Amino acid sequence: EIVLTQSPGTLSLSPGERATLSCRASQSVSSSYLAWYQQKPGQAPRLLIYGASSRATGIPDRFSGSGSGTDFTLTISRLEPEDFAVYYCQQYGSLPYTFGQGTKLEIK
Amino acid sequence: EVQLVESGGGLVQPGGSLRLSCAASGFTFSGYWMHWVRQGPGKGLVWVSRINSDGSSTTYADSVKGRFTISRDNARNTLYLQMNSLRAEDTAVYYCARDGLAPGYYWGQGTLVTVSS
Repeated sequence: EIVLTQSPGTLSLSPGERATLSCRASQSVSSSYLAWYQQKPGQAPRLLIYGASSRATGIPDRFSGSGSGTDFTLTISRLEPEDFAVYYCQQYGSLPYTFGQGTKLEIK
Repeated sequence: EVQLVESGGGLVQPGGSLRLSCAASGFTFSGYWMHWVRQGPGKGLVWVSRINSDGSSTTYADSVKGRFTISRDNARNTLYLQMNSLRAEDTAVYYCARDGLAPGYYWGQGTLVTVSS
């Protein structure tokens, strides 16, 4: 099973700042099958990024994903108030599909 | 508009059973793989199971293998999760999700399962 480790656990930033979230895999993720999700309290997750770097439909271009192999990054270029949430990475290249433990992005 | 609506959650005693349903609309249900993902109270997301588009292939997380069964009725546009021998650690919100460019391309709003005596 591929273990995904996200860092930091909590990130405190202000609106307008740049956020960089990390997701490290215990072994190489096949074909960059890595997704990022955003989840707000009481809501279902929402897909942001698939294939490590492709934005899902309707996702603003301030969200970008990068990386390959075992190291992946989600970058939010300029934080908007609605971006403060929990973010999860997920690998879907190997069964069982696994999620990282999440990074909470909070307002500083 | 894609819609996934889960139902069937509730309170069940340890060792009991429950069947969750996920009603799909707004897309050709029979054309997509489907998934169940759960989230314990205050915890992260955990992938539970998947089923291919015609129901002939299923996969499970080790934690539920032998206890949970995923199935689908393409004529009714509905996904199911039969949960047997439930344990306290199965307490969670259960989400159904539609595959696409990623396993969680669309998500339902979730249904809460509480296993407690």
